[in-house]
Amino acid sequence: EPEVTQTPSHQVTQMGQEVILRCVPISNHLYFYWYRQILGQKVEFLVSFYNNEISEKSEIFDDQFSVERPDGSNFTLKIRSTKLEDSAMYFCASSFLELNTQYFGPGTRLTVL
Amino acid sequence: AQSVTQPDIHITVSEGASLELRCNYSYGATPYLFWYVQSPGQGLQLLLKYFSGDTLVQGIKGFEAEFKRSQSSFNLRKPSVHWSDAAEYFCAVGAREGGSEKLVFGKGTKLTVNP
Repeated sequence: EPEVTQTPSHQVTQMGQEVILRCVPISNHLYFYWYRQILGQKVEFLVSFYNNEISEKSEIFDDQFSVERPDGSNFTLKIRSTKLEDSAMYFCASSFLELNTQYFGPGTRLTVL
Repeated sequence: AQSVTQPDIHITVSEGASLELRCNYSYGATPYLFWYVQSPGQGLQLLLKYFSGDTLVQGIKGFEAEFKRSQSSFNLRKPSVHWSDAAEYFCAVGAREGGSEKLVFGKGTKLTVNP
């Protein structure tokens, strides 16, 4: 069964450093998403991406964040200058159609020291 | 704005007992509703979904959920819980704003299963 994959599973970085989280969505899916889950809190929407551009972003997704689909398979989330409060689990998701089931990857746990 | 409420933060049941996890949503239009499960250290796995039609939906692992529009609820049920069901359960509503869909999650219910 096709699945969403994410790398790395765990990333530790120093405050102020740039990180890139990688995702490989399900191959025939067209809509891509990033969510995050701060420890002990609920999963929160960050951004959605379709047709090589951002469809919607939340207030969390400020200028420090960016997303890219550099090739036909990868979907990346970049945080330019990490802050302590960026420590969270970041989930990538994809769906074939809008208003359809989103399939989630296993997540990347980001720890900012 | 869309919101999802899961009133029970933590539920403990005995193995073999029945289970019901509550979920209430707030959404102006016809909702798309989901239940996901997250085992410790794992990602989110889809249990079941409701888009339209029959209000009682069946999912994986023996779970089912019933959509009740009048109560704005989408409660998850299982007749007999197994120890492997211990996990955190998230209810979500598919919300469309600004031309794009996103999932709005509840805070989750942690399920502990006693032997």
